[in-house]
Amino acid sequence: EIVLTQSPATLSLSPGERATLSCRASQSVSSYLAWYQQKPGQAPRLLIYDASNRATGIPARFSGSGSGTDFTLTISSLEPEDFAVYYCQQRSNWPRGTFGQGTKLEIK
Amino acid sequence: QLQLQESGPGLVKPSETLSLTCTVSGGSISSSSYYWGWIRQPPGKGLEWIGSIYYSGSTYYNPSLKSRVTISVDTSKNQFSLKLSSVTAADTAVYYCAREEQLGFDPWGQGTLVTVSS
Repeated sequence: EIVLTQSPATLSLSPGERATLSCRASQSVSSYLAWYQQKPGQAPRLLIYDASNRATGIPARFSGSGSGTDFTLTISSLEPEDFAVYYCQQRSNWPRGTFGQGTKLEIK
Repeated sequence: QLQLQESGPGLVKPSETLSLTCTVSGGSISSSSYYWGWIRQPPGKGLEWIGSIYYSGSTYYNPSLKSRVTISVDTSKNQFSLKLSSVTAADTAVYYCAREEQLGFDPWGQGTLVTVSS
């Protein structure tokens, strides 16, 4: 089973700052990694697929990078609505889909 | 656009079977290239994939839940369903259904809270 480890668990930043979230896989998943955003009381929303492609309607301030075992989600300049929990998910052996434990992005 | 809606009892007794249905609207569950999945989230915790089904009935389950999970599909009703047997308090969670493709889960239903309690 592929295990995904996200870091940090919590990230405290201010609006306008740059956010960098990490996801590490226990074995290579090539570029088959997705990122989701979840706001309180809402279902998760697909942000990034195939490591670096923005899903439909996702603002350009969100970007993803990485391949193999190390991946990064970057938010270039935080907007108030970006404070949420972010999850990565490996897609290399879909339709099985392991999630990371999440990173909470909170307002400093 | 495609929408998914979970339905089912919000309260289940310990040792009984949890049953939920996901109704798909705005598109056909028989579309090729897509699976249909169930994901759950215990209160205050992260996401756990439960399992996925293709319109033909082919299924994949999380190994940690496989002995208790059954996912089925009814193409005539554009629905797929989840059954989880022998539930305990640890199965209390928000249960989501979602369309699945290689890119990921998108879109998701709004989720439904199922509490296991006597």
